[in-house]
Amino acid sequence: DAGVIQSPRHEVTEMGQEVTLRCKPISGHDYLFWYRQTMMRGLELLIYFNNNVPIDDSGMPEDRFSAKMPNASFSTLKIQPSEPRDSAVYFCASSLGPESSYEQYFGPGTRLTVT
Amino acid sequence: AQSVTQLGSHVSVSEGALVLLRCNYSSSVPPYLFWYVQYPNQGLQLLLKYTSAATLVKGINGFEAEFKKSETSFHLTKPSAHMSDAAEYFCAVSEGWAGFQKLVFGTGTRLLVSP
Repeated sequence: DAGVIQSPRHEVTEMGQEVTLRCKPISGHDYLFWYRQTMMRGLELLIYFNNNVPIDDSGMPEDRFSAKMPNASFSTLKIQPSEPRDSAVYFCASSLGPESSYEQYFGPGTRLTVT
Repeated sequence: AQSVTQLGSHVSVSEGALVLLRCNYSSSVPPYLFWYVQYPNQGLQLLLKYTSAATLVKGINGFEAEFKKSETSFHLTKPSAHMSDAAEYFCAVSEGWAGFQKLVFGTGTRLLVSP
């Protein structure tokens, strides 16, 4: 398997623009997670899905952030409008859940820079 | 809620020396515990996991960790450091009360290996 795939790997945008990050989980995994990593706050869980349904979005910072999972093989994280404080590395991870003792497999991340 | 404390944001060792990275957790129910490694500009990779079976867990690249309930610890060790071990290491605990799928990560420990 190719692992978790994220695109783009790097994104540079101006404040106020819409940003869309994409993720393809490992085939067969029914959990999908979005994380944000910054120097100040470390690794934070933003939202996770089970069988394409959002289960916990308590980590989503504010209404400017939204995430969707239209099918089992694709998810997006959108920021609209973007702000400089959104600059971070965003990771997507997927999991088989109890069948793999909840082990999560991470993608390579998207480094977002908002100027 | 569960939490993880990693003592020492940076640990420096010489090549061939013992590696010891400390992790203490807080959990009101038996936890699942994980150690992940992150190399520069990459996603997180699972080193090992504890899921209430054997208390001494062996992982990849010669790493192992011991679950000590009385000390609420899950320290990561490796007998002999290699230059290639230089990376950031994260300890994580699963939130059993809400289902084990949600991980809470520590702030990370950067391992520096000198020749």
